[in-house]
Amino acid sequence: GAGVSQSPSNKVTEKGKDVELRCDPISGHTALYWYRQSLGQGLEFLIYFQGNSAPDKSGLPSDRFSAERTGGSVSTLTIQRTQQEDSAVYLCASRIKNTEAFFGQGTRLTVV
Amino acid sequence: KQEVTQIPAALSVPEGENLVLNCSFTDSAIYNLQWFRQDPGKGLTSLLLIQSSQREQTSGRLNASLDKSSGRSTLYIAASQPGDSATYLCAVEYNFNKFYFGSGTKLNVKP
Repeated sequence: GAGVSQSPSNKVTEKGKDVELRCDPISGHTALYWYRQSLGQGLEFLIYFQGNSAPDKSGLPSDRFSAERTGGSVSTLTIQRTQQEDSAVYLCASRIKNTEAFFGQGTRLTVV
Repeated sequence: KQEVTQIPAALSVPEGENLVLNCSFTDSAIYNLQWFRQDPGKGLTSLLLIQSSQREQTSGRLNASLDKSSGRSTLYIAASQPGDSATYLCAVEYNFNKFYFGSGTKLNVKP
């Protein structure tokens, strides 16, 4: 596709359930980032992939959060045992190193 | 800690005005600085990327400048239009691992 695609666009889940968020980066983009944006807050870095490896996962807030990337393309962010404080918009971005980053439209996660 | 500050937090101007948004950062050893806009409920749209060796970049009515020594960048918007209304975000990177974002300037251009 022409841009970064994220799915689902909206997700409502019950507290304690696991969720998977998907990011399809722009074809050929080797770098992929996950950020989250809580209501009224700034953008919080979660994890960075270069190819399939994650040299920087320092932003993952707890061990309930994990992410993987396969084939140097699609990435999934998994949140286990969701809590209400996980409610946020999760944004994915991709780029070729040292060029501009392009963001997807985000997944709005609501934990009830 | 890498801090990025954007001033003002909000700005309201009449259509047609030229305006300047400011971004400052604490560590001048940056690699790149990128400006984005975010419309309500949407993702981020890239506006301009300035690499550390560059002083400015231009795209249409937008001009972004970078002064590493003083830790500042400005985004100049010429002849503002109601469609420019959005939140403008400045993002700084010191390596390729992550961007550090400011909290944004919410711009309202009144018809």
